[in-house]
Parts: sequence; structure tokens; C-alpha cells
Amino acid sequence: EAAVTQSPRNKVAVTGGKVTLSCNQTNNHNNMYWYRQDTGHGLRLIHYSYGAGSTEKGDIPDGYKASRPSQENFSLILELATPSQTSVYFCASGAYKDWRAFGPGTRLTVL
Amino acid sequence: GQQVQQSPASLVLQEGENAELQCNFSTSLNSMQWFYQRPGGSLVSLFYNPSGTKHSGRLTSTTVIKERRSSLHISSSQTTDSGTYLCALELSNAGAKLTFGGGTRLTVRP
Repeated sequence: EAAVTQSPRNKVAVTGGKVTLSCNQTNNHNNMYWYRQDTGHGLRLIHYSYGAGSTEKGDIPDGYKASRPSQENFSLILELATPSQTSVYFCASGAYKDWRAFGPGTRLTVL
Repeated sequence: GQQVQQSPASLVLQEGENAELQCNFSTSLNSMQWFYQRPGGSLVSLFYNPSGTKHSGRLTSTTVIKERRSSLHISSSQTTDSGTYLCALELSNAGAKLTFGGGTRLTVRP
């Protein structure tokens, strides 16, 4: 069954540490997205990608990097994690003018 | 101003009542999707509906492009319908980005 999976599902990191969140999709979608969700802010787009090798800045890219090494995989990288990056992170895949599917989310806590 | 607005922000129903959730957008769109989310949960796609009307069980989605609005109708609500409903749009002026509304938090009481 086509799906979007994320790992890890939960992560506790220390301030200043490096965190990598991974996403894999089997929908064969060209586009992939990283969102964060916080109370009072809803879902906000961090980075997205049009295909392998491409990454684009979303609405709140500061403090985050992204990597798309293949059609199926899209990673979100926090080089120097800060407590303000404590959030729930969702990955999604989709196609232009078409539906999107979301992963189960990763709960990140930065202490 | 906000490009996607949902109303109401919250809604409380008694089980068995119907609900109408609205999503209004300020520019033309390429795609439109409704999602359901439980607290702490993932986003479950309810409808992909860029135009027209679609049905799924007790749910109906209607998107009227000319009026720049989409609605989600829930009939005969159940306590298990409680959660947050989100509309998400791919706006014509935003490439492949998906823009979310603020959501409607629905509570259905027994």
C-alpha cells in the first residue's frame, strides 16, 4: 500500500545538537514537503522539493535544511537545534494539481 | 491578509446534528483537499475536491470555484467525528505549495 512514513516518531534532542528527520514515500509523487505544526500557528511549510536533487524554501525555512537524495526520500536537518524548534513535524508527498498524503508525524523536543 | 480562511473556528454539536464547515480562499486555485486530524494525530485525507461535489458516507464536500469557497457537510454527527477539520489549497499563484486554513475544531457531545 502506498504510504508516507517518517522516522523517528519521537525524538528528544539537546540544544545545539544536530537532528535529522527522515521521510519515505511510496506514492511515486514528484513533490515532497516538510511542515511543522504548533498550537496557535497551524501547519507551516518549512521546505519542499520538486524531485530528486531539488529543495525549495517554504514559508519558515530559517534554522532548517533539507535534502532530497531520491524520489522516495526527503530529509529535514536541524544543524543546531534550539528549543523553539520543539514541535510536531509532518512530511507529505504530492503531485502538482493533485492530492497530497501525509506521514504520521514526528514529535521533536529540544531541551 | 490571509489567503485561506476557515469558519467557524470551533463548533460544538449534540450527537445526531448536522454541521457545515466553510473554507474561503482569496485567489484562484489548482487543487483543494479536506483533512481530518485527531489531537496529536496525523492528517487523514477526506476529500480531494478542486471543483464540484463529492460524497463519502455521511460527508459531502462542495467546491464552488467562482465563489471561491469550499464546504464540508457532516450529517448525523457522531462523537467519533470530534477533531479538527482542515482545508488545504494549492493556490494558482503559489506553485506546488499547499496552504492550510486555520482549521475548525469540532466537538460532538453524546
